[in-house]
Amino acid sequence: NAGVTQTPKFQVLKTGQSMTLQCAQDMNHNSMYWYRQDPGMGLRLIYYSASEGTTDKGEVPNGYNVSRLNKREFSLRLESAAPSQTSVYFCASSAPGTGFAFFGQGTRLTVV
Amino acid sequence: DAKTTQPPSMDCAEGRAANLPCNHSTISGNEYVYWYRQIHSQGPQYIIHGLKNNETNEMASLIITEDRKSSTLILPHATLRDTAVYYCIVLITGGGNKLTFGTGTQLKVEL
Repeated sequence: NAGVTQTPKFQVLKTGQSMTLQCAQDMNHNSMYWYRQDPGMGLRLIYYSASEGTTDKGEVPNGYNVSRLNKREFSLRLESAAPSQTSVYFCASSAPGTGFAFFGQGTRLTVV
Repeated sequence: DAKTTQPPSMDCAEGRAANLPCNHSTISGNEYVYWYRQIHSQGPQYIIHGLKNNETNEMASLIITEDRKSSTLILPHATLRDTAVYYCIVLITGGGNKLTFGTGTQLKVEL
């Protein structure tokens, strides 16, 4: 049972490049989340999706877009990467109507 | 969702109980208290949650005050592997729950 899988694990981008971070869960969860964590800081919510077909902004959505492709997959896109987006990105999913969430192993993104 | 306040850091001797406090004075009647921990840059891990009764599982105990304005996570016999950042979150469950984290408490367990 894989849980929450994020790809890639590491990525280096040049300023202005675009990329998509992929996330998939196999637990049939309705809710999915994208967070970023800067060094020494807590997690900040970028976007979340309460169910398939819905997405909503979190605390720090600027510079990002998301797609809830189906119930399993929730992707995060950086259209024009900036050095300020250097961070560790975590995807998570939770069972319907609960805060009991499972997290992926993280994607370490560096923008130079 | 109600905001939470946690001390930024705590120390604990290995084998002793670690008591991590959390204030959530604006909690509403249908908000649960959840605890997560994050060990050195891994993804956060769920520990325990409760509404108003005390809860215990194989990882920890959760004590919620009668007025629900604060809670304490208890790790009964802390080990070096419990060194982590611990996050207290209050959350309305049901529907589109938005799971947001604060800055947490850095717990350091020492010999």
